[in-house]
Amino acid sequence: GIQVEQSPPDLILQEGANSTLRCNFSDSVNNLQWFHQNPWGQLINLFYIPSGTKQNGRLSATTVATERYSLLYISSSQTTDSGVYFCAVVNDYKLSFGAGTTVTVRA
Amino acid sequence: DGGITQSPKYLFRKEGQNVTLSCEQNLNHDAMYWYRQDPGQGLRLIYYSQIVNDFQKGDIAEGYSVSREKKESFPLTVTSAQKNPTAFYLCASSSASGARGEQFFGPGTRLTVL
Repeated sequence: GIQVEQSPPDLILQEGANSTLRCNFSDSVNNLQWFHQNPWGQLINLFYIPSGTKQNGRLSATTVATERYSLLYISSSQTTDSGVYFCAVVNDYKLSFGAGTTVTVRA
Repeated sequence: DGGITQSPKYLFRKEGQNVTLSCEQNLNHDAMYWYRQDPGQGLRLIYYSQIVNDFQKGDIAEGYSVSREKKESFPLTVTSAQKNPTAFYLCASSSASGARGEQFFGPGTRLTVL
């Protein structure tokens, strides 16, 4: 099956810092999603981004499908950005998830 | 409000018992999914259904069963054959665009085997 690798596995930031999370995938995909998992386990949809660049407030994402990677940018990080960020790719009918990047933002 | 609901939030099971997790959606989505998450890991697909009365096995279907009798409901039964059922279970749904449809998740059920 398709392999999804996320890096780095852990990221510690000072409040106000910027960061980039990366997602590599091993095969062509129909689509790609980024999620934020909050401390209660809820998966919050951030981006649905098969290609190109999208922005939502302090977050933005870029997917380069031909090179099989996607990037999630967090700017001016806040403590509420803490949590686990997952990349998931759609191949056939199902989402395949990476192992996630755990982000800790310190005040 | 439109969304996906899962119940119960927490579930405790004795070894050898079957338990059923509920998932309901009012988004009018055709496709529904069940995932399992173990601590420190991503989600893995258990079963999915693209249409009523039809479902397919995902990557880790052994020890689980599902039904899809109504469009809005997709219950998951964790049977006694599942060797390590303690995990966080998440249900998702997507629109009729199917493979390209954005998936949305419910709040999850935490199952613990005593």
